[in-house]
Amino acid sequence: AQKVTQAQTEISVVEKEDVTLDCVYETRDTTYYLFWYKQPPSGELVFLIRRNSFDEQNEISGRYSWNFQKSTSSFNFTITASQVVDSAVYFCALSKGSSNTGKLIFGQGTTLQVKP
Amino acid sequence: GAVVSQHPSWVICKSGTSVKIECRSLDFQATTMFWYRQFPKQSLMLMATSNEGSKATYEQGVEKDKFLINHASLTLSTLTVTSAHPEDSSFYICSASLPGLAGQDTQYFGPGTRLTVL
Repeated sequence: AQKVTQAQTEISVVEKEDVTLDCVYETRDTTYYLFWYKQPPSGELVFLIRRNSFDEQNEISGRYSWNFQKSTSSFNFTITASQVVDSAVYFCALSKGSSNTGKLIFGQGTTLQVKP
Repeated sequence: GAVVSQHPSWVICKSGTSVKIECRSLDFQATTMFWYRQFPKQSLMLMATSNEGSKATYEQGVEKDKFLINHASLTLSTLTVTSAHPEDSSFYICSASLPGLAGQDTQYFGPGTRLTVL
């Protein structure tokens, strides 16, 4: 069965601190995709990144970086020099490598609070 | 690009009435849309997969007759909550799948609709 675990329910940091959000997944598929979404207080989910199972290269986008480790089934997300605007709920998600359904399995989410 | 809208953003209705929620992909065509439900401080729960021109596929435990889904065009899917009751109160979110190469679809989400049934 497919499963995504975000063990950290809530994280609180002070502005400018770095913070890492953990994501561990389970799947038997050889082809799959991993995602991170941000849900600010307004409620709308914002797409951050998609990574396929064959690409373990880490990615950096501004203050955001992602570490995909297939050996440990993890896809962690780091925010460098956090800002108050980063406060949101962050979801990690997994989907099968099929264009037919594209169903997403979401983790429980991690609430990040960045204090000024 | 990849903007998805939902209407209404919030709705309050009386118990027993039906409520329709629209989901539109504004700048791309989506053969597949998804409907989720989210309770406070919880994750998203997939309710159904909506495919243009065919019947929706519902997840286990979701009542088809209560949550009617219609995907009439490549840019519009609707969710109708029929005979709504207070326990149907929730945050309903839709997403539209932007096709990619070799299955690399990405779901883009609407802003959500908060339904309150009195």
